[in-house]
Amino acid sequence: NAGVTQTPKFQVLKTGQSMTLQCAQDMNHEYMSWYRQDPGMGLRLIHYSVGAGITDQGEVPNGYNVSRSTTEDFPLRLLSAAPSQTSVYFCASSYQMGNTEAFFGQGTRLTVV
Amino acid sequence: DAKTTQPNSMESNEEEPVHLPCNHSTISGTDYIHWYRQLPSQGPEYVIHGLTSNVNNRMASLAIAEDRKSSTLILHRATLRDAAVYYCIVETNFGNEKLTFGTGTRLTIIP
Repeated sequence: NAGVTQTPKFQVLKTGQSMTLQCAQDMNHEYMSWYRQDPGMGLRLIHYSVGAGITDQGEVPNGYNVSRSTTEDFPLRLLSAAPSQTSVYFCASSYQMGNTEAFFGQGTRLTVV
Repeated sequence: DAKTTQPNSMESNEEEPVHLPCNHSTISGTDYIHWYRQLPSQGPEYVIHGLTSNVNNRMASLAIAEDRKSSTLILHRATLRDAAVYYCIVETNFGNEKLTFGTGTRLTIIP
């Protein structure tokens, strides 16, 4: 049982480059979300989805795009990377939006130079 | 969202119980209290959650004050593997439930 899988684990980008962080879950969860974690801080919500075809913004959505074409996958796109987007990114999923256990991936450590 | 207040850090001896406090004085009647922990270089891991009554599971116990303005996560017998940052989170329940993480409590276990 893989749970939540994030790829890649590490990535270095140059300013202005674009990339997609992948997130996949095999638990048939409807709710998926993306967080970023900066040094010494807690996680901040970027975007979330309550099901295929439905996405919404979280606390810090600027500079990121998401889409949800399947239940299993929830990719996060950086359109034009900036040094301020250097962070560790976590994807999470749960079978419903509230009152439940959320499962987190192992994270993607992104450095923008 | 209801704000939570936790100590920045705590220490505990191995094989002893640990009580991690959390204040959430602005919590609403339908807000759930969640606890997650994050081990070094890993994603957060669910520990426990509850609404009003005390809750127990294989990892920990959650004691919720009668007025719900505070709660305590109890690790019954700490091991070195319990060293982590513990996050207390109040999940606002208005059809827009989200987990809002603060900075948590860094728990150090002393061998």
